[in-house]
Amino acid sequence: NAGVTQTPKFQVLKTGQSMTLQCAQDMNHNSMYWYRQDPGMGLRLIYYSASEGTTDKGEVPNGYNVSRLNKREFSLRLESAAPSQTSVYFCASTLQETQYFGPGTRLLVL
Amino acid sequence: AQSVTQPDIHITVSEGASLELRCNYSYGATPYLFWYVQSPGQGLQLLLKYFSGDTLVQGIKGFEAEFKRSQSSFNLRKPSVHWSDAAEYFCAVGAGTGRRALTFGSGTRLQVQP
Repeated sequence: NAGVTQTPKFQVLKTGQSMTLQCAQDMNHNSMYWYRQDPGMGLRLIYYSASEGTTDKGEVPNGYNVSRLNKREFSLRLESAAPSQTSVYFCASTLQETQYFGPGTRLLVL
Repeated sequence: AQSVTQPDIHITVSEGASLELRCNYSYGATPYLFWYVQSPGQGLQLLLKYFSGDTLVQGIKGFEAEFKRSQSSFNLRKPSVHWSDAAEYFCAVGAGTGRRALTFGSGTRLQVQP
């Protein structure tokens, strides 16, 4: 039981490049979330998925897209990366109102 | 919309001393409240949570928190801090449905002096 896993752990992109951050959970949770963490700002919600086949925007969705591929997987895509998207990205899933977090992906956009 | 305030950005305590981290929230109904800890380069680990019932909640690693509705607070405490407690601590409030995400405070960084 690995919990919530994220790949990659670290990535460097050039401005304008695209990439997909992967997230998977093996806890059979319905809801999944993507957050970004920036210094002094806590975690801010990018997108979430209440169940397979549904996604909703969070606080900071601009520049991102998501796909809830199945119940286990929830991916985050940056179509054209910008330096402002340099951040640490966390995926989470929820069971009984409690969120469980992955280890994070550290993204640097040059 | 809910919000969370952690007034202390950075706190330094001596090993063995007691600790209290402050958290104030804004929410119209009874909130779901959480404390998470994040060690450098790591993800967030749940310390404790409050949904209802006893307002004094026990968590892992010897932490506890008390929900005070009248003060809209959920402060985290530990009677004796260990060097391994050095980390960043986040308070969060949930709207109470599985579809809604948590709202986090900006965090308090704890430094422990030997």
